[in-house]
Amino acid sequence: GAGVSQSPSNKVTEKGKDVELRCDPISGHTALYWYRQSLGQGLEFLIYFQGNSAPDKSGLPSDRFSAERTGGSVSTLTIQRTQQEDSAVYLCASSFLVGELFFGEGSRLTVL
Amino acid sequence: KQEVTQIPAALSVPEGENLVLNCSFTDSAIYNLQWFRQDPGKGLTSLLLIQSSQREQTSGRLNASLDKSSGRSTLYIAASQPGDSATYLCAVLTGANNLFFGTGTRLTVIP
Repeated sequence: GAGVSQSPSNKVTEKGKDVELRCDPISGHTALYWYRQSLGQGLEFLIYFQGNSAPDKSGLPSDRFSAERTGGSVSTLTIQRTQQEDSAVYLCASSFLVGELFFGEGSRLTVL
Repeated sequence: KQEVTQIPAALSVPEGENLVLNCSFTDSAIYNLQWFRQDPGKGLTSLLLIQSSQREQTSGRLNASLDKSSGRSTLYIAASQPGDSATYLCAVLTGANNLFFGTGTRLTVIP
């Protein structure tokens, strides 16, 4: 596609439910990053993919968070048993190797 | 661990003024440095990418410089406009493909 696409753009869920966030990177981009941004805060690194492999999962906040990438393209970030502190904007970015990074518009998650 | 600092945290200038935003990083072993802008409630928009071998990049009214040895980058905005109001973030990419972000400078250009 023309840019990085994320869905849903907004998600409101109840505490304890599972959510899936999707990222479609720019076609041909090998690297894919997930970040989290809480209200008024900086970007918190979650996970990075090179192809389908995730060499760096160090940023995942807990074992309730997981992510996968299939076919070197689409990635899903799954949050199980959501908590209120998971409320944030989840941003996805992609790049070709170590080139310029392009971000999607983010998925705003609100946990009630 | 790489640490990226941006000073000032917030800046207000009158329209038409030239300004400089600063970014410093602790580990000079970087692949590249990228400047972004973020509008409220939006994602990040890439402004300029400087490879580690480069000293500066220019795009329109924006000029970014990189001094890798001293761990510094600046973003120069000429003839600022109210539409330039946003948060500006710098990010450095290290050898492990880790991308480290600064906390940003919130710029307000007053008409």
